[in-house]
Amino acid sequence: GAGVSQTPSNKVTEKGKYVELRCDPISGHTALYWYRQSLGQGPEFLIYFQGTGAADDSGLPNDRFFAVRPEGSVSTLKIQRTERGDSAVYLCASSLMAGGGSYEQYFGPGTRLTVT
Amino acid sequence: AQSVAQPEDQVNVAEGNPLTVKCTYSVSGNPYLFWYVQYPNRGLQFLLKYITGDNLVKGSYGFEAEFNKSQTSFHLKKPSALVSDSALYFCAVRDRNRDDKIIFGKGTRLHILP
Repeated sequence: GAGVSQTPSNKVTEKGKYVELRCDPISGHTALYWYRQSLGQGPEFLIYFQGTGAADDSGLPNDRFFAVRPEGSVSTLKIQRTERGDSAVYLCASSLMAGGGSYEQYFGPGTRLTVT
Repeated sequence: AQSVAQPEDQVNVAEGNPLTVKCTYSVSGNPYLFWYVQYPNRGLQFLLKYITGDNLVKGSYGFEAEFNKSQTSFHLKKPSALVSDSALYFCAVRDRNRDDKIIFGKGTRLHILP
């Protein structure tokens, strides 16, 4: 079956611009997670959704970052006024549910964001 | 707050030899523990998890991991390494008493020498 998909696979933008990164989770997965991975590091938690609501957004680095999941399926990570330090691979993952915590996550291939 | 430590940036093992990739964790409650693998230019793939019960967990591709509560460790093991096991391995933890995020370690690069 279809896995988690992310678009675009690569995004190059200029400093100060706005970007949107999209994640399409596995059908039926109610939990959706966003991570950021820098070179040589593990995935860094940003935010996760249970259904349509953000259950934990404590990993968002500042108010330039925002994410939505209006219908409980597709999610969009939005970054305003991009900075060079935002350059990283942004990973999305989904799982059957977040509550209970035992379900493994399925990851998408990531979006590589480069801010010039 | 949860945390995960993977003390080795890289582990080199000769093909056919047993391998161990180390992981220790810290949580306020009881943990769910996970191992993921990342191959070049591919997304993270789930390998195995510890939820409850038997401390020795078996997963994909012949990997296993042993949960040790007293040492707060969850080391990944395989009896006989293959060159194709060369990849980046991540340990992750979640506090089962909280509806909370999963925290990943920084990763260990496993290099199997032919």
